[in-house]
Amino acid sequence: ETGVTQSPTHLIKTRGQQVTLRCSSQSGHNTVSWYQQALGQGPQFIFQYYREEENGRGNFPPRFSGLQFPNYSSELNVNALELDDSALYLCASSLDGEGYTFGSGTRLTVV
Amino acid sequence: EDQVTQSPEALRLQEGESSSLNCSYTVSGLRGLFWYRQDPGKGPEFLFTLYSAGEEKEKERLKATLTKKESFLHITAPKPEDSATYLCAVQANTDKLIFGTGTRLQVFP
Repeated sequence: ETGVTQSPTHLIKTRGQQVTLRCSSQSGHNTVSWYQQALGQGPQFIFQYYREEENGRGNFPPRFSGLQFPNYSSELNVNALELDDSALYLCASSLDGEGYTFGSGTRLTVV
Repeated sequence: EDQVTQSPEALRLQEGESSSLNCSYTVSGLRGLFWYRQDPGKGPEFLFTLYSAGEEKEKERLKATLTKKESFLHITAPKPEDSATYLCAVQANTDKLIFGTGTRLQVFP
């Protein structure tokens, strides 16, 4: 049984650019959530996808968007990057919203 | 508003010195309370889920307990490899997890 894998592990982008982060969910899981974790803080919920539909969103602007694919993998897209978007982005998968398994994250630095 | 508060923010222990971490929560309709361990630059690693007041779970040197307002993570005779940030999260009526800011634990030999 494979866990949750995220790519890339590290990324440096310039303010105003766009970025796509990827996540492969754990085998058998149909729900994917994305979290943003700033340094020294707890993870903050961005949004969740269940069977390819967004079914929950946190307090993040529309420039944060996502997709879930038929194989339950997922993408997080962020447009018009700002310096404050620098953080560890975590993907978590679950079966029907129960028991979340997290990936190792993508460290995004915006300069 | 649903909220999670963890204390202390940081804790330094001598190897073998037992202690407890606190997680206080305010949530409407608790579905579950989760404890995770997080090493620097890594994703959270699942430790425990607690569902109802009075429930307790143990794993090696860790024991988690739950009341109607708070949860404790007890660490018995810690070792240096227990050094990490410990995160508490609650799940309410929606699926999302609401996290505290964590307790950074350092265990010295």
